Amino acid sequence: DAGVTQSPTHLIKTRGQQVTLRCSPKSGHDTVSWYQQALGQGPQFIFQYYEEEERQRGNFPDRFSGHQFPNYSSELNVNALLLGDSALYLCASSFTGTGYSPLHFGNGTRLTVT
Amino acid sequence: GQSLEQPSEVTAVEGAIVQINCTYQTSGFYGLSWYQQHDGGAPTFLSYNALDGLEETGRFSSFLSRSDSYGYLLLQELQMKDSASYFCAVENYGQNFVFGPGTRLSVLP
Repeated sequence: DAGVTQSPTHLIKTRGQQVTLRCSPKSGHDTVSWYQQALGQGPQFIFQYYEEEERQRGNFPDRFSGHQFPNYSSELNVNALLLGDSALYLCASSFTGTGYSPLHFGNGTRLTVT
Repeated sequence: GQSLEQPSEVTAVEGAIVQINCTYQTSGFYGLSWYQQHDGGAPTFLSYNALDGLEETGRFSSFLSRSDSYGYLLLQELQMKDSASYFCAVENYGQNFVFGPGTRLSVLP
């Protein structure tokens, strides 16, 4: 049973460029959340997708956008990259239903903006 | 706003017991979770408390007091492999989790 997979694992971009990160959720999960984790800090919630729609959004600018596909996989897009966007981007999947569903995280994409 | 506070660092020796505290202020609350993250790794789920009291899972236990907006993670019989960062996370409506800043645990031989 594959867990959450993210690609690519590492990425180096130049300020002003655009980037797309990809995530496949754990089998049986239908909800994908994206988090940004700066070095030495806790994950910060970017947004969450469920039924191919953005269900919730954290305090991130519109430069951050996403998409969820019918197979529940998801993409995170960041436009007009800033140096401050350098971080580990984590995808987490869960199941929306009755009861508690913990987040299952992928290993993340390490984005470096130069 | 929402905020969570945890100690930044904790150090203990193998075999000891350590408690990592978490206090929170949040506009919505469904439960408190704990995650472990080794350097370079993904956060992994440890425990969840929706109601007041103690939840035990092997060497790890977690406690919640909703009236005090406080919880803790208790790690017993510490092992070297327990050296990692530990995050508390408040669950808001719709599986929106707000994470604390993390506590770096160092286990010494």
